Amino acid sequence: AQKVTQAQTEISVVEKEDVTLDCVYETRDTTYYLFWYKQPPSGELVFLIRRNSFDEQNEISGRYSWNFQKSTSSFNFTITASQVVDSAVYFCALSERGGSNYKLTFGKGTLLTVNP
Amino acid sequence: DVKVTQSSRYLVKRTGEKVFLECVQDMDHENMFWYRQDPGLGLRLIYFSYDVKMKEKGDIPEGYSVSREKKERFSLILESASTNQTSMYLCASSLPPLRETYEQYFGPGTRLTVT
Repeated sequence: AQKVTQAQTEISVVEKEDVTLDCVYETRDTTYYLFWYKQPPSGELVFLIRRNSFDEQNEISGRYSWNFQKSTSSFNFTITASQVVDSAVYFCALSERGGSNYKLTFGKGTLLTVNP
Repeated sequence: DVKVTQSSRYLVKRTGEKVFLECVQDMDHENMFWYRQDPGLGLRLIYFSYDVKMKEKGDIPEGYSVSREKKERFSLILESASTNQTSMYLCASSLPPLRETYEQYFGPGTRLTVT
């Protein structure tokens, strides 16, 4: 069965620090998708990124970057020069492709607090 | 932009009441999902639907049922609400997994309290 582990339950940083959120996954499939979502205090989950299992290129979007390494089954998320608005719960999720298995498996989330 | 709306942000119901949570999406997505989110447990899938009138049980379907009569609307039903169903309920929609833009889009959530 697929599994997603976010070992960091809570992280607290000071504004402008860089922070990395870890995500380790388990799957038996060779084709799968990985996702990161942000849940600010308002409650709505916001989609940040999708990565296909056959695309190991890292991605950068502004202050956000993602490091996907199949060899270690990790999909880590780094925020550079963190800001107070980055304070949220961040979820990593895994979905296997194909068949009737449309389900996402979420990690338990990492609460990031960025202090001014 | 994808828009997923849920009928209520906050809801208070009494034990034993029948509760309907409504979810509507405007992007013509085939798939729709209901999750509950509880502290320390993350998001857990209750039910999902990949087509009108089709449904599949998720990880925790007990005590819940669903209805999907129209493509854009997916309802979660608590037949007889109990206090252990007090939770945040999140609805989501997506295209099927064979499409490139496969991510799920979430509604704002309904915080249900059963007293």
